[in-house]
Amino acid sequence: AQSVTQLGSHVSVSEGALVLLRCNYSSSVPPYLFWYVQYPNQGLQLLLKYTTGATLVKGINGFEAEFKKSETSFHLTKPSAHMSDAAEYFCAVTRGVVSNTGKLIFGQGTTLQVKP
Amino acid sequence: DAGVIQSPRHEVTEMGQEVTLRCKPISGHDYLFWYRQTMMRGLELLIYFNNNVPIDDSGMPEDRFSAKMPNASFSTLKIQPSEPRDSAVYFCASSLRGPGQNTEAFFGQGTRLTVV
Repeated sequence: AQSVTQLGSHVSVSEGALVLLRCNYSSSVPPYLFWYVQYPNQGLQLLLKYTTGATLVKGINGFEAEFKKSETSFHLTKPSAHMSDAAEYFCAVTRGVVSNTGKLIFGQGTTLQVKP
Repeated sequence: DAGVIQSPRHEVTEMGQEVTLRCKPISGHDYLFWYRQTMMRGLELLIYFNNNVPIDDSGMPEDRFSAKMPNASFSTLKIQPSEPRDSAVYFCASSLRGPGQNTEAFFGQGTRLTVV
């Protein structure tokens, strides 16, 4: 069975500071991993994904994440936070076979606050 | 493509009434998913379709919930009768069959349902 744990429901950083949002997963099969962002009253937008190959993946808006199999982690980082990064972030893992990449298990989400 | 389109964006209804949520997936996508987002339970997969056929409805909470996909470009999620605990944001998403480069799920803007 697959599961996702996001450590910290709220993270607060200063503008220009490093952003680190933590995600650990459990999967009995090689996972596909995703980070989605949700702005207030909006749908989910894909930030980045890991499927196979390079373990460091780069996404939109300067975000990147590294798949670490030994740690079962897929933490999201951004070197310098911007006010516009304030949103809720969801880590997700595919549930079951990877041919179905919309059948996702989501973490509980992390709200990122960026202070001026 | 305009992305996944959901209607209405907001719905307020009285307890006991029938509610129908609508979704138009991205053209050419094989899979369609209905998710529900609540504060208590986060994002949960309710049901998904592959080529218009319901594959897994194990996430549908009760018999009051039903979903259909009469053709490749339209799906509905119906709640009859509605109850206050059904209040949530309902997301529709679609994806291509994977694995592959662009097989992530694309989400609609969601329908915010309030049952009073």
